[in-house]
Amino acid sequence: QMQLQESGPGLVKPSETLSLTCSVSGGSISRYYWGCIRQPPGKGLEWIGYIYHDGSSNYNPSLKSRVTILLDTSKNQFSLKVRSVTAADTAVYYCAGASDFDSRPIFDIWGQGTMISVSS
Amino acid sequence: DTVMTQSPDSLAVSLGERATMNCKSSQSVLLSSSNKNYLAWYQQKPGQPPKLLIYWASTRESGVPDRFSGSGSGTDFTLTISSLQAEDVAVYYCQQYYRTPLTFGGGTKVEIK
Repeated sequence: QMQLQESGPGLVKPSETLSLTCSVSGGSISRYYWGCIRQPPGKGLEWIGYIYHDGSSNYNPSLKSRVTILLDTSKNQFSLKVRSVTAADTAVYYCAGASDFDSRPIFDIWGQGTMISVSS
Repeated sequence: DTVMTQSPDSLAVSLGERATMNCKSSQSVLLSSSNKNYLAWYQQKPGQPPKLLIYWASTRESGVPDRFSGSGSGTDFTLTISSLQAEDVAVYYCQQYYRTPLTFGGGTKVEIK
């Protein structure tokens, strides 16, 4: 059974870059979409972006200028970088895998999530 | 962006009773050529990640109990729990995957009365 595990810093200083690594186990990363979703404390879910197994990517326009998702097939991992963070980027960050349904992603595999706080 | 609006924000239902919640999209998520609604429902229990329950508005994910059902088309959708169990206490989110940015509703919190 495919599983995802996030690893992140826990705390990032304002204006710095948030880095999250998502490790895939139990299956190949060379399938599916791989994405990131975040959830501020006590709030709802916000889609950040995804990368397809061919390397193409799609980002939320609200974050697009600050976000990059990269795929590392040799390590069965993908990663998220969010630049120039502020307190508004404080959230639980989830890694997720999405099956391809008629060329659309449906997130059916989720990591446990990792809390990342932005504070000096 | 396609805005997803869920109602009510919360509901309290007795064990064994029906729970019904709604999701409305600001634009249609129905692809007419395939007659498929690009709408999913997720369940999130406290301290856990979301879990996919339903996709294509009414197709249950493998392993999801049949007390969960989804209905609706176009812009208006409903998730029904036919007989609420204690383990169903959670927040339920709808999400459209018709167009990017992918967007979620604000959630409906289900509690036991």
